[in-house]
Amino acid sequence: GAVVSQHPSWVICKSGTSVKIECRSLDFQATTMFWYRQFPKQSLMLMATSNEGSKATYEQGVEKDKFLINHASLTLSTLTVTSAHPEDSSFYICSARPSGRLEQYFGPGTRLTVT
Amino acid sequence: GNSVTQMEGPVTLSEEAFLTINCTYTATGYPSLFWYVQYPGEGLQLLLKATKADDKGSNKGFEATYRKETTSFHLEKGSVQVSDSAVYFCALQDQAGTALIFGKGTTLSVSS
Repeated sequence: GAVVSQHPSWVICKSGTSVKIECRSLDFQATTMFWYRQFPKQSLMLMATSNEGSKATYEQGVEKDKFLINHASLTLSTLTVTSAHPEDSSFYICSARPSGRLEQYFGPGTRLTVT
Repeated sequence: GNSVTQMEGPVTLSEEAFLTINCTYTATGYPSLFWYVQYPGEGLQLLLKATKADDKGSNKGFEATYRKETTSFHLEKGSVQVSDSAVYFCALQDQAGTALIFGKGTTLSVSS
């Protein structure tokens, strides 16, 4: 149980285009999902907290107009990288917290490469 | 603010050696503490956790004890295997259950 999927697992896009990444909790409902970014050989940095039915809370330094987050249902959150640039290339990881519990379960990540 | 500090890697060991990866934290109140493991090319997996002082988390031969007096949560395994080669992340979560705060990760490489 407690499986989280991400789609796509990897994506290559051209500079200036937008990319949408999906995060789904497959066998549980998640009121809260989190989006992290991981640079090569570095730790995960929290980008934003996504709550179902409300606006996401962004961490300091994360552009909310560039990284659009939507959490329209208890099993799906999406991250859209708008007007992508090469410096947005990274590994994006989501996690989902089952309603009423503290643990987070992580998706496998999405490798984004912007050319 | 809350933070996690873990030992720099990489850690290179021979099979069946004893493993310790140090982790200390700074937090107000009583956070929950976690160890996550990331195998090459995969996402993070919860390895073990402890939610209060003196709790011991254990899984797959790994152990860590929540020590409030030393604000530590060191990861140990008595006999590592090649399959344990991965990156290990120590993390904390505050009492409100907000997002995890991660250490920088420690790469473990085990050779046969």
